[in-house]
Amino acid sequence: EDKVVQSPLSLVVHEGDTVTLNCSYEVTNFRSLLWYKQEKKAPTFLFMLTSSGIEKKSGRLSSILDKKELFSILNITATQTGDSAVYLCAFKMYSGGGADGLTFGKGTHLIIQP
Amino acid sequence: DAMVIQNPRYQVTQFGKPVTLSCSQTLNHNVMYWYQQKSSQAPKLLFHYYDKDFNNEADTPDNFQSRRPNTSFCFLDIRSPGLGDAAMYLCATSRGSARGFYNEQFFGPGTRLTVL
Repeated sequence: EDKVVQSPLSLVVHEGDTVTLNCSYEVTNFRSLLWYKQEKKAPTFLFMLTSSGIEKKSGRLSSILDKKELFSILNITATQTGDSAVYLCAFKMYSGGGADGLTFGKGTHLIIQP
Repeated sequence: DAMVIQNPRYQVTQFGKPVTLSCSQTLNHNVMYWYQQKSSQAPKLLFHYYDKDFNNEADTPDNFQSRRPNTSFCFLDIRSPGLGDAAMYLCATSRGSARGFYNEQFFGPGTRLTVL
């Protein structure tokens, strides 16, 4: 059975701190891993990772995938209160159909205190 | 701006009274998805359309149906809503390809369904 574990489940830090969010997985037919940010609305896309060891970066956010050890991390540096959200890790598995839904982890609830 | 639109944003229905949620997109994506997200839980895929082909997840209750009359629109029909169906319903789109599927999904703002 496919398993996606995000840790920690919740995290409270002060503005300016750096945080690292983890996503470990046991997934058959792995295709790609995606990170989403969800505030009080629909998830917004952050990164998609398909290859191991290649860092993706967008401003203060970065992410990397390790397909050997089966995990990904999402880093946020110099955190701001606007980074407060639930961060969701999701997987796309390939079933040959060409269009597969995402399987989400439970998310990490990040709170940035001023 | 190209986007995914969901209407209504909030829907209240009565126990057992059929309800339809709507999703439209201007992205011209060929794949559309419906997810159910209950409070404090991750989104769960219900089904998706690849063009006109409907793909139901194995554990999606029969109470949930979907229609896609054209590329731009997709509907979620709940035939007899129960209290346990109260949730946020998210529509998403993506560009699928027969070779495999690497593209991200774009989500609409969601419809929050309340069942009285």
